[in-house]
Amino acid sequence: SQQGEEDPQALSIQEGENATMNCSYKTSINNLQWYRQNSGRGLVHLILIRSNEREKHSGRLRVTLDTSKKSSSLLITASRAADTASYFCALGSHTGANSKLTFGKGITLSVRP
Amino acid sequence: DSGVTQTPKHLITATGQRVTLRCSPRSGDLSVYWYQQSLDQGLQFLIQYYNGEERAKGNILERFSAQQFPDLHSELNLSSLELGDSALYFCASSVAPIQETQYFGPGTRLLVL
Repeated sequence: SQQGEEDPQALSIQEGENATMNCSYKTSINNLQWYRQNSGRGLVHLILIRSNEREKHSGRLRVTLDTSKKSSSLLITASRAADTASYFCALGSHTGANSKLTFGKGITLSVRP
Repeated sequence: DSGVTQTPKHLITATGQRVTLRCSPRSGDLSVYWYQQSLDQGLQFLIQYYNGEERAKGNILERFSAQQFPDLHSELNLSSLELGDSALYFCASSVAPIQETQYFGPGTRLLVL
């Protein structure tokens, strides 16, 4: 499959807990990105990690990338009710002078107050 | 707010009809992407334009077409509509085709009855 496979499909946690979401893929990539989508809204870019990077942080977000295992994880620490959304893993690849994003089917995160 | 605008927000039409969705990219962005999001197919890339020219094609049906105008806004035309075309249609933009991060609009929700 050319798209990322996210796991789990759905996650329900209590406010304050950490949420870990995983993405596995089969093709070679230049970067891997995570996007968030609130119900019926547009996608919002969260973080990008390049294929030569292993870990990145942005606020309460931590993303790791293991290219040998072709997998990535997104950790949201100290979750809040406002983090309730769908999260998508997107595989970034370069073809010549163009870049392409292929999205997975998404993970539904529910944070209970 | 990503800076990408899409009109209309909602569209209800009948099978066999034709509709036009409009997108204005972020100021300064030259590349526009169209995506279709449905429950069964997830987020599917349709087509990309850069500075008025078609750059990449994805899973776009022959009944669908798009163009990017000199002022960089883009339109997605959907014709001979079928029930299965009901979906959320997103436009995204980036400065250049090689830029990895895309900025998404709020989407147009199309319902074909």
